[in-house]
Amino acid sequence: GAVVSQHPSWVICKSGTSVKIECRSLDFQATTMFWYRQFPKQSLMLMATSNEGSKATYEQGVEKDKFLINHASLTLSTLTVTSAHPEDSSFYICSAYTTGSHGYTFGSGTRLTVV
Amino acid sequence: AQSVTQLGSHVSVSEGALVLLRCNYSSSVPPYLFWYVQYPNQGLQLLLKYTTGATLVKGINGFEAEFKKSETSFHLTKPSAHMSDAAEYFCAVSDAGTALIFGKGTTLSVSS
Repeated sequence: GAVVSQHPSWVICKSGTSVKIECRSLDFQATTMFWYRQFPKQSLMLMATSNEGSKATYEQGVEKDKFLINHASLTLSTLTVTSAHPEDSSFYICSAYTTGSHGYTFGSGTRLTVV
Repeated sequence: AQSVTQLGSHVSVSEGALVLLRCNYSSSVPPYLFWYVQYPNQGLQLLLKYTTGATLVKGINGFEAEFKKSETSFHLTKPSAHMSDAAEYFCAVSDAGTALIFGKGTTLSVSS
């Protein structure tokens, strides 16, 4: 089946530093990648949608200069949290979409803790 | 815009009892509907999905859901709960190729 590899699975960083989260579709090409954020005991909130080779589309209230998304190829998308602060601590999950039977495939998530 | 409402943030059942988790959706186009399960500190696991065709959808681990257009519902059921079913469950809706929009989730507790 379709697999999306998300790394790192957890990361602790100091306030003010940047963190990059990577999602790779291992056995299929993802036309679209969605990035979600999940705070404790809450649901998944869509942050942005990216298509390969295009600029990401951000949801209202999500700072595009803080959450940089790069979707350089059909198998790789990255989310960089720049100048991270404790309030950015959250669970970040990517979801790759492709037409056909695969549909939506989720990564395993990244637990970010900013100290 | 699409949206999902999950009725009941917390459902408690006894082991062996029926599980019923409720989901109602709003969509201006024929929806794609999904149920996911999430265990603590883990990602999402797809239980089942409805796109087109048969309205009764069977998923993994004995779960099933029925798409009822007239009621705009997609409730998740399992005839007999198991302790391992205790988790967070999310209903989601999408249009083909658009982002999944999730409900707020329902925590299922199973007691022995």
